[in-house]
Amino acid sequence: EAEVAQSPRYKITEKSQAVAFWCDPISGHATLYWYRQILGQGPELLVQFQDESVVDDSQLPKDRFSAERLKGVDSTLKIQPAELGDSAMYLCASSFRGVYNEQFFGPGTRLTVL
Amino acid sequence: TQLLEQSPQFLSIQEGENLTVYCNSSSVFSSLQWYRQEPGEGPVLLVTVVTGGEVKKLKRLTFQFGDARKDSSLHITAAQPGDTGLYLCAGGDTNFGNEKLTFGTGTRLTIIP
Repeated sequence: EAEVAQSPRYKITEKSQAVAFWCDPISGHATLYWYRQILGQGPELLVQFQDESVVDDSQLPKDRFSAERLKGVDSTLKIQPAELGDSAMYLCASSFRGVYNEQFFGPGTRLTVL
Repeated sequence: TQLLEQSPQFLSIQEGENLTVYCNSSSVFSSLQWYRQEPGEGPVLLVTVVTGGEVKKLKRLTFQFGDARKDSSLHITAAQPGDTGLYLCAGGDTNFGNEKLTFGTGTRLTIIP
């Protein structure tokens, strides 16, 4: 069964360091999303790609966060420098355009900033 | 900004009991999804409803979309320990071909054996 892959699953870093997360969506899914989820709450959208183009990054803290999807397939989310408040689960999801916004999520990356 | 409020925020019941989780908004959505998330994992899609008044059943789970497409409910019959998890509703909005979801605040469900 096709799945969204994410790595690493866990990341511990010190504040002011740089971190990067990787996501490989389900094959054929043109839309890719990065979310941040605080424990026990719903995910919040950080950035949305349609193929290689950003269509929504209004909630992305652009002074420290960046995201790219150069070939319209896999994607990388970077944080530099990391802050204590960035500790959260970072989720990647993908969808096949036109199917009622149904999104399929990866297992996430749990980030802890010390 | 579209907001989806879920209630209750936390629910702990005995195995075999019935329960209902609510998802409410003042905004109209083109679709409504329910997801279940287990600790340390990503959300897993349970169901999508797209028509006002629609009811879908998935074994012991019954999902309903409000007539005005602003609210939804999830009813679980004879809850089992395997139902434990974080339940998330998410409203779909297609604006200029840009499909996005707004997630609810979540309901943490614990089923006690």
